[in-house]
Amino acid sequence: AQKVTQAQTEISVVEKEDVTLDCVYETRDTTYYLFWYKQPPSGELVFLIRRNSFDEQNEISGRYSWNFQKSTSSFNFTITASQVVDSAVYFCALSEATGRGSTLGRLYFGRGTQLTVWP
Amino acid sequence: DAMVIQNPRYQVTQFGKPVTLSCSQTLNHNVMYWYQQKSSQAPKLLFHYYDKDFNNEADTPDNFQSRRPNTSFCFLDIRSPGLGDAAMYLCATSPQREAYNEQFFGPGTRLTVL
Repeated sequence: AQKVTQAQTEISVVEKEDVTLDCVYETRDTTYYLFWYKQPPSGELVFLIRRNSFDEQNEISGRYSWNFQKSTSSFNFTITASQVVDSAVYFCALSEATGRGSTLGRLYFGRGTQLTVWP
Repeated sequence: DAMVIQNPRYQVTQFGKPVTLSCSQTLNHNVMYWYQQKSSQAPKLLFHYYDKDFNNEADTPDNFQSRRPNTSFCFLDIRSPGLGDAAMYLCATSPQREAYNEQFFGPGTRLTVL
C-alpha cells in the first residue's frame, strides 16, 4: 500500500498565483516524520522541511507554508505568490520512528507533483 | 561547503557493458543511500550502507552491487546494464539511521544505455 499519496501529478500556474500541493500519508506509527523535498530540473533533491507527528503547528518560511493536520493525515504545502524559479517536482515523504533495523530512517516518497510556473 | 558529490553527472554505456557510478561526501555521515529514479517517478531505494553494514532492498536486481571502501565514498556497480536500467541514480547521506534525519542528496548521475 502506498504510504504517501500525492494526487496531483501536474499543476500549472501563472506567476504570482498561490498554489497548494497536497500530501496524504498513511501510517500506524504514533511517532513519525514528514518531509518535503524540491527537485528542480537539475535533478538534485533539496530538503525543504521536516515535521514530527507531535507538532501540528503550521509553519511559514518566506513564501512557503505548510499545513499539518493529523485528523486528515495531510501535510500540505502552499507557495504564495509563485515565481518561475519555483518550477520543480515536489516530493512529500514519510519516515516512521518505529522502523526496525534496516528500515529505520527509510524515506517513503510520494510520486511527486510537477509544478510549472509560467511568467 | 560540505556536500554530496556524484561523478560523472552523465554516463553513457552500452548494453551489457559494466559501469560504475561514484558518490563521495564531505559530511562525515554514517549512512549512504543509492536510489534509482526513472522519469516522472519517485526515487526508488536500491540499498544503503549504515557504516560498513550493507542493506539491500528485497526487490533490487542482482545486477546492482555496491561498495563502500571508506566513510567518504560509495560506488554503485551495474554489472550488465540493460535498457531498463537507464535512469537517474541518486546518492544520499544521513548522519544516522534515524527517522528524524533528513537525507542530503547529490546532484545525481543520469545513465543512458545504448
